[in-house]
Amino acid sequence: QKEVEQNSGPLSVPEGAIASLNCTYSDRGSQSFFWYRQYSGKSPELIMSIYSNGDKEDGRFTAQLNKASQYVSLLIRDSQPSDSATYLCAGGQNEKLTFGTGTRLTIIP
Amino acid sequence: DTAVSQTPKYLVTQMGNDKSIKCEQNLGHDTMYWYKQDSKKFLKIMFSYNNKELIINETVPNRFSPKSPDKAHLNLHINSLELGDSAVYFCASSRRVAGASSTDTQYFGPGTRLTVL
Repeated sequence: QKEVEQNSGPLSVPEGAIASLNCTYSDRGSQSFFWYRQYSGKSPELIMSIYSNGDKEDGRFTAQLNKASQYVSLLIRDSQPSDSATYLCAGGQNEKLTFGTGTRLTIIP
Repeated sequence: DTAVSQTPKYLVTQMGNDKSIKCEQNLGHDTMYWYKQDSKKFLKIMFSYNNKELIINETVPNRFSPKSPDKAHLNLHINSLELGDSAVYFCASSRRVAGASSTDTQYFGPGTRLTVL
């Protein structure tokens, strides 16, 4: 059983719309959660981190965490073609990150 | 300035050879990691070092041996390379979150694409 699960996609969203990416995790000991973006052939780069229940906003990005439901999400508002990438969800505990398999997002101009 | 750097960027070698990948970070972080990303893009932790001490050692064949000469460097040596070792290997680093069970943001290097023929 995978510890962090994501829909692999591909998820296609029109330019300017909201992209919604979801992630569930099985380890209740996970304390911190991260969304990374990875372009093809590049390394993962941090988009958002979230440690507490609720919403956290940064520009066009909003991360949501619900520890009771073991659910993390990332919303991307006003989606741009440059947002097309694979988005990796990760749960952290004791300095170890466990990644999901990633969701491939395509923004359609 | 590159925060986390790796060399080489590409590595093509024959089965049975031994190879090394080097990683350096200039972020002042205490903790460094090696990850393997397979052809399906699944990113999995292999090892972690904190200030030269091994703290995470996942189920990895003992052909893989990490070495940390100081807290800014973490190298990965692979003996007797096999076809299944072909992957992208990422180094990462983070601050240590003192006294907590949490994890701070990890910053990734550019990756080393290893191809075993």
